[in-house]
Amino acid sequence: AQTVTQSQPEMSVQEAETVTLSCTYDTSESNYYLFWYKQPPSRQMILVIRQEAYKQQNATENRFSVNFQKAAKSFSLKISDSQLGDTAMYFCAFVPNFGNEKLTFGTGTRLTIIP
Amino acid sequence: DVKVTQSSRYLVKRTGEKVFLECVQDMDHENMFWYRQDPGLGLRLIYFSYDVKMKEKGDIPEGYSVSREKKERFSLILESASTNQTSMYLCASSSLNEKLFFGSGTQLSVL
Repeated sequence: AQTVTQSQPEMSVQEAETVTLSCTYDTSESNYYLFWYKQPPSRQMILVIRQEAYKQQNATENRFSVNFQKAAKSFSLKISDSQLGDTAMYFCAFVPNFGNEKLTFGTGTRLTIIP
Repeated sequence: DVKVTQSSRYLVKRTGEKVFLECVQDMDHENMFWYRQDPGLGLRLIYFSYDVKMKEKGDIPEGYSVSREKKERFSLILESASTNQTSMYLCASSSLNEKLFFGSGTQLSVL
């Protein structure tokens, strides 16, 4: 069975600073997908970024980027130039292959951006 | 934009009541999911469905059942609500090989 671990229950950072959220996972699969989802106070889950395990290049979406270390089974999210709207719960998620949409989620990190 | 609509944002029920949580999606997605979200536990999959009248158990199906009579609607049923089912319930849908779209959640309190 796959597991996803987020070891930082809460984090806070000053506006405009850079913050990194950690995620590790455990799997015996060789091909899989990793995701970061954001859940703001509105409770609407939003996909932030997606990484395919067979791609060596780290995914990037504007101010959001990942550091994907396949051998270490690590998938951290870096938020640059943080904004007040980045305040949210962030969930790391794993799926063994994209034909199977049953995601396994981590326990989440509550991120607060301080003005 | 894809819309996944959950019928109630907040719900308060009594122990032993039968509870229906409704979810409707408007994008003709094949796949629909019910997750439960609890502090410190993340999201856990209760049930999912890949097609009409088809259902499969997720990781924590005990105490729940589901119904999918139409493609756009996926209902979660608590046959006899208990206090340990107090939680946030999130519905999601997706098309094959596409990302999940989530509803805004139903915060259920069982007293």
